[in-house]
Amino acid sequence: KNEVEQSPQNLTAQEGEFITINCSYSVGISALHWLQQHPGGGIVSLFMLSSGKKKHGRLIATINIQEKHSSLHITASHPRDSAVYICAVRWGPGYFGNEKLTFGTGTRLTIIP
Amino acid sequence: DVKVTQSSRYLVKRTGEKVFLECVQDMDHENMFWYRQDPGLGLRLIYFSYDVKMKEKGDIPEGYSVSREKKERFSLILESASTNQTSMYLCASSLRRRVIAREGSQPQHFGDGTRLSIL
Repeated sequence: KNEVEQSPQNLTAQEGEFITINCSYSVGISALHWLQQHPGGGIVSLFMLSSGKKKHGRLIATINIQEKHSSLHITASHPRDSAVYICAVRWGPGYFGNEKLTFGTGTRLTIIP
Repeated sequence: DVKVTQSSRYLVKRTGEKVFLECVQDMDHENMFWYRQDPGLGLRLIYFSYDVKMKEKGDIPEGYSVSREKKERFSLILESASTNQTSMYLCASSLRRRVIAREGSQPQHFGDGTRLSIL
């Protein structure tokens, strides 16, 4: 069965700390997404990666295709970064138009002032 | 900005009722998705639709059906609600990619979710 695993499940850190959240998957993928879910439920897409590294503000996402692993980093963390971070993958090349994703169970991040 | 609107934030229904959850998107996206989210299980795909009147089962379609009569609207139907369908339901939409490519993906845009309780 194709699986997506995230670690840690929960992470509490002090404001300003460097944060790393990990995502591993079992077989080849065509793309990996990082998503953020705030209390109340709304989900926003942060990054989509097929290879390499992407940066947006204080957020950095990397992917290692050979090791089937991705990391999401937050520099200079802030209490407003407190949220659930979710990794999701699109398996294989799929068929044209197939955008189905498989999701990890999420990492709950709490940043303490 | 893409707007995906779900008809209710909170809904309480009784066992056996037929329940309709509505989702509307305003960006002319071909793909629309219905997920449920449960603690410890993450988001699981119930159904998705890649065009008007087209639908495919996701990972957990049992007990649900869907309707896509217009491009902007995707409805999830609980035919006879049961207590194990108490959950957070999330709708999403995305563009269909215009090129056949091995890699890449389109971001999905999510609604705020409907917290459904079946009593």
